[in-house]
Amino acid sequence: NAGVTQTPKFRILKIGQSMTLQCTQDMNHNYMYWYRQDPGMGLKLIYYSVGAGITDKGEVPNGYNVSRSTTEDFPLRLELAAPSQTSVYFCASRVGGGRAGELFFGEGSRLTVL
Amino acid sequence: GENVEQHPSTLSVQEGDSAVIKCTYSDSASNYFPWYKQELGKGPQLIIDIRSNVGEKKDQRIAVTLNKTAKHFSLHITETQPEDSAVYFCAATYNFNKFYFGSGTKLNVKP
Repeated sequence: NAGVTQTPKFRILKIGQSMTLQCTQDMNHNYMYWYRQDPGMGLKLIYYSVGAGITDKGEVPNGYNVSRSTTEDFPLRLELAAPSQTSVYFCASRVGGGRAGELFFGEGSRLTVL
Repeated sequence: GENVEQHPSTLSVQEGDSAVIKCTYSDSASNYFPWYKQELGKGPQLIIDIRSNVGEKKDQRIAVTLNKTAKHFSLHITETQPEDSAVYFCAATYNFNKFYFGSGTKLNVKP
């Protein structure tokens, strides 16, 4: 069971470039999340999805876009990359329903914008 | 939205000692409080959680306590071992949609 898989693991972007971080899960989880982790700042929620076709903003959505066309995939799009988007990005999923709270995280994608 | 504060940011203990990490939250509606452990180069993993209708929960060497009145909760690790060295995050949620995380505590257990 692969769990939550993120690609790429590392990426360097130039200012103004765009890219997509991929996230896929094989646990048939309804809920999926994108977080960014900056040193000393914990995890900040960018976007989340409660199911295919449904997405909503988190705490820090500016500069990002998401889509959820299937249960398995939740890509994060960065348009016009800026140095402030240098961070480690984590995708997570949760089974949802009732009060099942555990988040399953991927191993992260480290993005540097120069 | 919810604001979760976590202290200390770093904690160094001797192997066998206890470690305590504290978090406070701002939204009295929050009702679920998980703790995650993040090892180097990995994503966070859930180690223990507590719901608002419970004051304390234990799982072997780790325990979590919750004080709803004061809006704070704590992680207690007893008999620490070198493999407990990691970054620990607390979190809170009131609707199980958005989870708000603390800033993390880097625990170093010295052999």
